[in-house]
Amino acid sequence: ETGVTQSPTHLIKTRGQQVTLRCSSQSGHNTVSWYQQALGQGPQFIFQYYREEENGRGNFPPRFSGLQFPNYSSELNVNALELDDSALYLCASGLGVASSHYEQYFGPGTRLTVT
Amino acid sequence: AQTVTQSQPEMSVQEAETVTLSCTYDTSENNYYLFWYKQPPSRQMILVIRQEAYKQQNATENRFSVNFQKAAKSFSLKISDSQLGDTAMYFCAFMKRNAGNMLTFGGGTRLMVKP
Repeated sequence: ETGVTQSPTHLIKTRGQQVTLRCSSQSGHNTVSWYQQALGQGPQFIFQYYREEENGRGNFPPRFSGLQFPNYSSELNVNALELDDSALYLCASGLGVASSHYEQYFGPGTRLTVT
Repeated sequence: AQTVTQSQPEMSVQEAETVTLSCTYDTSENNYYLFWYKQPPSRQMILVIRQEAYKQQNATENRFSVNFQKAAKSFSLKISDSQLGDTAMYFCAFMKRNAGNMLTFGGGTRLMVKP
């Protein structure tokens, strides 16, 4: 196991609702990245936080937002849920944004189902 | 933007045999990393092997080795002496150096090791 935890494990929401997913980074890590993995596909990068600031964003609409806290844990918020938001949401923590800190440590994911 | 393609959605191999998973990518970058990640059923994604683009020598990690062909933009993974625990989804991933350590993943190959 990587030491990265995510909650909840599973979640069922209704279209139009809002959801918050949580990630606790591995000890000593100050970056966290969020990925969306639709069923049968590879993960897609949503955004990254480094020292509490957004450090990069993938091709996702503004209704996907995040936070990183002083203890480097993180939240992913999704507003106005759509059916296509149903996916496994992965967070990954790392030691920093320097290239030498390339390794990302993934959590087990949160399975979100939107009905 | 980078793209990563895995053309084999599913593969199977007999225990103790060798299997090769394919990956091609497209980028205009010259300085990058390539990775293979393993995602076992219901378990966390873990890093299998890493290749730095400026290194000509192919990376090796125990039973796992890669064939990196930079000009052809090809990055295959060879698993020798396959074990039942190798059964998993395998993702090829690209990371641009000095750009925040964000991963671009391929669509994955489901590998089944048969006893």
